[in-house]
Amino acid sequence: DTGVSQDPRHKITKRGQNVTFRCDPISEHNRLYWYRQTLGQGPEFLTYFQNEAQLEKSRLLSDRFSAERPKGSFSTLEIQRTEQGDSAMYLCASSLANRPQETQYFGPGTRLLVL
Amino acid sequence: SQQGEEDPQALSIQEGENATMNCSYKTSINNLQWYRQNSGRGLVHLILIRSNEREKHSGRLRVTLDTSKKSSSLLITASRAADTASYFCATDAVSNSGYALNFGKGTSLLVTP
Repeated sequence: DTGVSQDPRHKITKRGQNVTFRCDPISEHNRLYWYRQTLGQGPEFLTYFQNEAQLEKSRLLSDRFSAERPKGSFSTLEIQRTEQGDSAMYLCASSLANRPQETQYFGPGTRLLVL
Repeated sequence: SQQGEEDPQALSIQEGENATMNCSYKTSINNLQWYRQNSGRGLVHLILIRSNEREKHSGRLRVTLDTSKKSSSLLITASRAADTASYFCATDAVSNSGYALNFGKGTSLLVTP
């Protein structure tokens, strides 16, 4: 069990650029989640996948954000035309759906700074 | 919007003392979980308590849940400097169509040697 991994760990970009983050969940986990965390706040839910299907999106996920999980394994989160308000830690988590009490395991996060 | 609300926002204690933090939430839940986050890093799962449970232990951690008051507490006994971190409660609401967790703003714990 190698845990959830995320890449890159840090990203600095200029306003208006596009960025893409990758998440590799724990291998047998079929649910994958994206959260965003700003300074001094708890994580806020963005979206989640069961296998390759994106089943829920938060209203925080504007049309500049898109997430994919093409083969039901790793996932990508893309932000187009980044804005300074997008600066945050982007966290990925995964879980196993067939357990009655479902623990989400988090990756180390990608810290995004938009200049 | 964040459902959970941790109290206190910040807590400073000395090694060996116990630390208690509280969490309140607004809607009916399936489970309540506590996570720890060291500065600038990802979240580490500590303990999960189901809505039909009242108390749970794991090592130096003790969690209680009062669904009638919509509140939970996390007790860390015999604290260590390594316990310094932010602690978050997270709930998955019964009304959710999915399994998104709702986090509070966290309690920042400082344990001094």
